[in-house]
Amino acid sequence: DTAVSQTPKYLVTQMGNDKSIKCEQNLGHDTMYWYKQDSKKFLKIMFSYNNKELIINETVPNRFSPKSPDKAHLNLHINSLELGDSAVYFCASSPGQHANTGELFFGEGSRLTVL
Amino acid sequence: GENVEQHPSTLSVQEGDSAVIKCTYSDSASNYFPWYKQELGKGPQLIIDIRSNVGEKKDQRIAVTLNKTAKHFSLHITETQPEDSAVYFCAATDSWGKFQFGAGTQVVVTP
Repeated sequence: DTAVSQTPKYLVTQMGNDKSIKCEQNLGHDTMYWYKQDSKKFLKIMFSYNNKELIINETVPNRFSPKSPDKAHLNLHINSLELGDSAVYFCASSPGQHANTGELFFGEGSRLTVL
Repeated sequence: GENVEQHPSTLSVQEGDSAVIKCTYSDSASNYFPWYKQELGKGPQLIIDIRSNVGEKKDQRIAVTLNKTAKHFSLHITETQPEDSAVYFCAATDSWGKFQFGAGTQVVVTP
């Protein structure tokens, strides 16, 4: 059973399109995250939700909108895609409200390529 | 906010040798320091962590040391094996739970 699963694994799309990435965790964790990993492997947090409530919202263009229908799911919708959005997007979860209360469990990543 | 610097960016070692990766952090309130290993095409996975009330922690061939005064922490891998080849990330979280990752170290273990 995959602990943190995200779909799709690969996404190739044209500039200007809108796309979504879905994430689900079956660990019973309270907190979920979206991270962006650029071509240089740098990992940067984008959003964090605790029990469906937004708790971290880093400086991210408002074209990115996270949605958490329940604490096991955190989806990421991106409007008007730009070339610079090309990256690998990782979903993660952790047991407590804050990352420092426990391990971050990452999904396998969703590689987004914008042409 | 927290700023984490990680060195080196790449590290090539012979199988059986040791590998050391060093990180520094800026926020003296940081209290949790995990290390993650990311294999090709996979998500990062926790390999070891240390909290600010501990100076050193070991788990088989890997160990982490923390110097709170100097605000640096290090990952040590002994008797390296080809399966240790991966990108390693250090991270620090402050008391608010915000997580900052280092830039990563590509470790290549050559047989």
